[in-house]
Amino acid sequence: RKEVEQDPGPFNVPEGATVAFNCTYSNSASQSFFWYRQDCRKEPKLLMSVYSSGNEDGRFTAQLNRASQYISLLIRDSKLSDSATYLCVVNENTGNQFYFGTGTSLTVIP
Amino acid sequence: EPEVTQTPSHQVTQMGQEVILRCVPISNHLYFYWYRQILGQKVEFLVSFYNNEISEKSEIFDDQFSVERPDGSNFTLKIRSTKLEDSAMYFCASFSTRGSNEQFFGPGTRLTVL
Repeated sequence: RKEVEQDPGPFNVPEGATVAFNCTYSNSASQSFFWYRQDCRKEPKLLMSVYSSGNEDGRFTAQLNRASQYISLLIRDSKLSDSATYLCVVNENTGNQFYFGTGTSLTVIP
Repeated sequence: EPEVTQTPSHQVTQMGQEVILRCVPISNHLYFYWYRQILGQKVEFLVSFYNNEISEKSEIFDDQFSVERPDGSNFTLKIRSTKLEDSAMYFCASFSTRGSNEQFFGPGTRLTVL
């Protein structure tokens, strides 16, 4: 059973483009949702939490659709520095378990 | 800003040897985790630890693995008899139910089994 699924990509986009990633989760009781960013050979770092009402942080917008059990991340005006792997993470709260998607690879091209 | 630390950053060992990977979680966190990531693959959950005992473990976390919190600060992962396929990055993370609900990751230990 795959708790969290993501399109692994890779996504190769030009600078300035808008790119969107989706993620689906299988457990409808999941409580908390996150997007993490992971650079090559580094630890995952929190990009943003995802709230039911949707939330925005600069060029990044996260949305949660509980009915369809998916989470999205939109990156506007892509920068070269956005090149990384983006991990969808879901917390089911029972035992405080965090489930990771496979990650979506993004490369922003000059 | 508080952070999770891990030592060593890189460990090279011979197959069959025991290794201990060390982590110092954030001091007021109560939940601790070990994950591994084989090069080019996804982050895989190994084990979670709360209140001085394992709360959950994955099928990867077999009898070769053990965790300990020997004192108030360290959290260790021991692999008793390493195999070639244990070569991976091992990340420690800690979490608090107060605040942002976010897991904080250490920088990882790269384990290479020869």
